[in-house]
Amino acid sequence: EADIYQTPRYLVIGTGKKITLECSQTMGHDKMYWYQQDPGMELHLIHYSYGVNSTEKGDLSSESTVSRIRTEHFPLTLESARPSHTSQYLCASSQSSERAFDEQFFGPGTRLTVL
Amino acid sequence: AQSVTQPDIHITVSEGASLELRCNYSYGATPYLFWYVQSPGQGLQLLLKYFSGDTLVQGIKGFEAEFKRSQSSFNLRKPSVHWSDAAEYFCAVGDNAGNMLTFGGGTRLMVKP
Repeated sequence: EADIYQTPRYLVIGTGKKITLECSQTMGHDKMYWYQQDPGMELHLIHYSYGVNSTEKGDLSSESTVSRIRTEHFPLTLESARPSHTSQYLCASSQSSERAFDEQFFGPGTRLTVL
Repeated sequence: AQSVTQPDIHITVSEGASLELRCNYSYGATPYLFWYVQSPGQGLQLLLKYFSGDTLVQGIKGFEAEFKRSQSSFNLRKPSVHWSDAAEYFCAVGDNAGNMLTFGGGTRLMVKP
């Protein structure tokens, strides 16, 4: 069983507020990812990290930012939330290895609603 | 760039009936293919994966999938569906250049009693 945690699970917040979505994993994985999933839609990669102090933007443009100061922690921040940010945010992690592809393990997600 | 198409947005089957969920991919090299399941309000759970070798792969919960290179397909099957299988199913292709996943739009499975 993968050990990757996200908090909060649900968040309802007003426009203009600053929010941080937490993601932590206890597996020592180097790679971590944030996906955005609108209701009934596919997942889109918005940020990823290959290790401490490494962050990159994904395929889908996002106004959020991320940081990776510790291996196990990959928080996502919205400086000023807007209704267009309403979505589900899924965090994932994978190990670095010599294998061709490393399985990504997913957290339970944070469902964000911005009023 | 790779892409994944799941032609069926919704599928309804009766409990005990067989199931096949379709997935077509576009990828220039040998694909790494995955099926994930997502229950309401939950994250994604890996059902099975194909990297190489035997084109028929077995997964958890009685699911299997067959890789057909000539058809660029990776369809998911189950011989007898249980009510607990009702969920959203996502097919994904992996890019080994950066360990990135590209997901299809998902198929929502409903199971009739």
